[in-house]
Amino acid sequence: DAKTTQPPSMDCAEGRAANLPCNHSTISGNEYVYWYRQIHSQGPQYIIHGLKNNETNEMASLIITEDRKSSTLILPHATLRDTAVYYCIVRVIHGSSNTGKLIFGQGTTLQVKP
Amino acid sequence: NAGVTQTPKFQVLKTGQSMTLQCAQDMNHEYMSWYRQDPGMGLRLIHYSVGAGITDQGEVPNGYNVSRSTTEDFPLRLLSAAPSQTSVYFCASKSPQVNEQYFGPGTRLTVT
Repeated sequence: DAKTTQPPSMDCAEGRAANLPCNHSTISGNEYVYWYRQIHSQGPQYIIHGLKNNETNEMASLIITEDRKSSTLILPHATLRDTAVYYCIVRVIHGSSNTGKLIFGQGTTLQVKP
Repeated sequence: NAGVTQTPKFQVLKTGQSMTLQCAQDMNHEYMSWYRQDPGMGLRLIHYSVGAGITDQGEVPNGYNVSRSTTEDFPLRLLSAAPSQTSVYFCASKSPQVNEQYFGPGTRLTVT
């Protein structure tokens, strides 16, 4: 699985958009980008994933660059409850590789401030 | 659905003691896995299973055993606890048809 690089910490004002970057310059053509978050020592929570098209769900949007070497997770209107560690993970998910094995880095600690 | 449940929530062991961390899921997920998380670190994969009777090692398997006799349960055994195994342990499960993985609330283990 390709390695990812994330800034260790970021701040965001409540109500503003939080944009969390992730670099994955060695990503392969069949590797997807996943985002999970972990709120204060709870189990990680799935947010979103994508291959090459931008994706949006009720929690967030994922913007992947055309060369797929980086991506940005966007929380459109951050709240205090979005304060968490956000993990960007890259992995293959087809067929026998779709086992759920995730390689976590150290993630980005997002602090949402009032 | 209760989702993924883990017991106990907290445990203190002395060096050399053995114990089993329990993990159960009621979503009929084929895939289950165990991770550990040390302070300030991301999660690291210990062992995983793609179905009943099938297990395999992850990144940090030494000192841990697993078995998968049923789809629902995936216990993690520490045969002889060491202080280096002090950590928070998370169990997770997923279906092969979806990409979302569900995590349990964790077990905080301290080995003195």
